[in-house]
Amino acid sequence: NAGVTQTPKFQVLKTGQSMTLQCAQDMNHEYMSWYRQDPGMGLRLIHYSVGAGITDQGEVPNGYNVSRSTTEDFPLRLLSAAPSQTSVYFCASSYRLGLAGDHTQYFGPGTRLTVL
Amino acid sequence: AQSVTQLDSQVPVFEEAPVELRCNYSSSVSVYLFWYVQYPNQGLQLLLKYLSGSTLVKSINGFEAEFNKSQTSFHLRKPSVHISDTAEYFCAVSEGGGFKTIFGAGTRLFVKA
Repeated sequence: NAGVTQTPKFQVLKTGQSMTLQCAQDMNHEYMSWYRQDPGMGLRLIHYSVGAGITDQGEVPNGYNVSRSTTEDFPLRLLSAAPSQTSVYFCASSYRLGLAGDHTQYFGPGTRLTVL
Repeated sequence: AQSVTQLDSQVPVFEEAPVELRCNYSSSVSVYLFWYVQYPNQGLQLLLKYLSGSTLVKSINGFEAEFNKSQTSFHLRKPSVHISDTAEYFCAVSEGGGFKTIFGAGTRLFVKA
C-alpha cells in the first residue's frame, strides 16, 4: 500500500493563479480531509468528504474548492491564489472503526505552497 | 464547541531526562483523544489514542498519556527521551462518533545531547 500520496511536493504560484493539489489514497477509506498547517496554529481543516460525491466545509474553506468523484481521489483547487494561502497542505484519510467510531487519520507527506 | 490547548509551544530537554507535553481540551460531549507526531519535513503520524476503557494509553516507543476527565486533560509523558524523539507533537480531539478532528497548535520537543 502506498497509503496517502500528494502531488506536487513543492509549488510556487503568483497571485491570481489557480492550481490543483492532488491527493489519493489506496486504503479504501471513506473519509478524506484537507488541512493547512501554519506556524503556531496547528492544523486547520479546509474541506472534508465522508464519501464519494459528498463534501463539506471545514474551518477555513474560503478560496478553496474540492470534489470527490471516486473513493480514492480528493483534489483541492485554489481558485485565485493569494499570499495568505502560503502554507503547507496536508491531505488525510480515515475510516470508521466499528460502531463506536474511531477517526484515526492517515496523513500524506504534504505540499509546500508559496504564493508570491 | 471543541477546542484544544497545548500549553507549551517549545520544550527543550536533555537526553535521558523525563518530559511531559501538556494538552487540555474543551468539549460538552464524550471525546476521543489523540497524539500525533511530526518529524521534520514529514506528515503527521499517530502516536497514541484514547477511545474508551483504561485511561492510561501507551505507544510502542515509550510514550504514554493519561485521560483525565475531571481535568479535561490528556498530557503526554516519557520517562527518558532520546535524540530521535525531537519532533513536533500535536494533541487532537474528536467528539465521540463524529468525524471532525480539532488539532492543537503543536509543541516542539527539542532533545539535546
